[in-house]
Amino acid sequence: AQSVTQLDSQVPVFEEAPVELRCNYSSSVSVYLFWYVQYPNQGLQLLLKYLSGSTLVESINGFEAEFNKSQTSFHLRKPSVHISDTAEYFCAVRGGSQGNLIFGKGTKLSVKP
Amino acid sequence: GAGVSQSPSNKVTEKGKDVELRCDPISGHTALYWYRQRLGQGLEFLIYFQGNSAPDKSGLPSDRFSAERTGESVSTLTIQRTQQEDSAVYLCASSPRAGGRETQYFGPGTRLLVL
Repeated sequence: AQSVTQLDSQVPVFEEAPVELRCNYSSSVSVYLFWYVQYPNQGLQLLLKYLSGSTLVESINGFEAEFNKSQTSFHLRKPSVHISDTAEYFCAVRGGSQGNLIFGKGTKLSVKP
Repeated sequence: GAGVSQSPSNKVTEKGKDVELRCDPISGHTALYWYRQRLGQGLEFLIYFQGNSAPDKSGLPSDRFSAERTGESVSTLTIQRTQQEDSAVYLCASSPRAGGRETQYFGPGTRLLVL
């Protein structure tokens, strides 16, 4: 069975500092990988996804994630965070023909001035 | 265009009562999903509809939970004889088609509190 582990439930950082939110998955089949973000009092939004091709994927607001098959990881990074990045971030995995997403428990990123 | 909408946004009910939650997917999306997010937990898959195929009910936690979808439109999730452990945010998502590559678009959720 597939599973997703987000090791850090909370990550506090100062503004303009770099951040890495860790995500590891377990799966015996090829997978597609997603990061969703949930801003305070808002719904889930897709941040970025890996389907195939280049293992490094980027979002429009400066986040990037790298698919590492050997380490079964899909860590999310940003070199310099803003206050507005404060949100909960969810990593998710999905098999090729599978319908539903399997989510991690989420990481709450708190950016302080 | 309009996104996924859900109603009600909040629901408070007494233990033992039945509740019905509604989801309006994005027009034209054939796949529809229900998830549950309990406090401090990730999202748990409940049920998935794809077109006119039989739904995937593998995530439903008990027979008190059921869901219906009319064609490729509205879906309702029904919880019978609610229990306190049913308290959660219930999220609906839709995607243009089924399959691993498709992005799921989420609604704002229904926050259910069972007293």
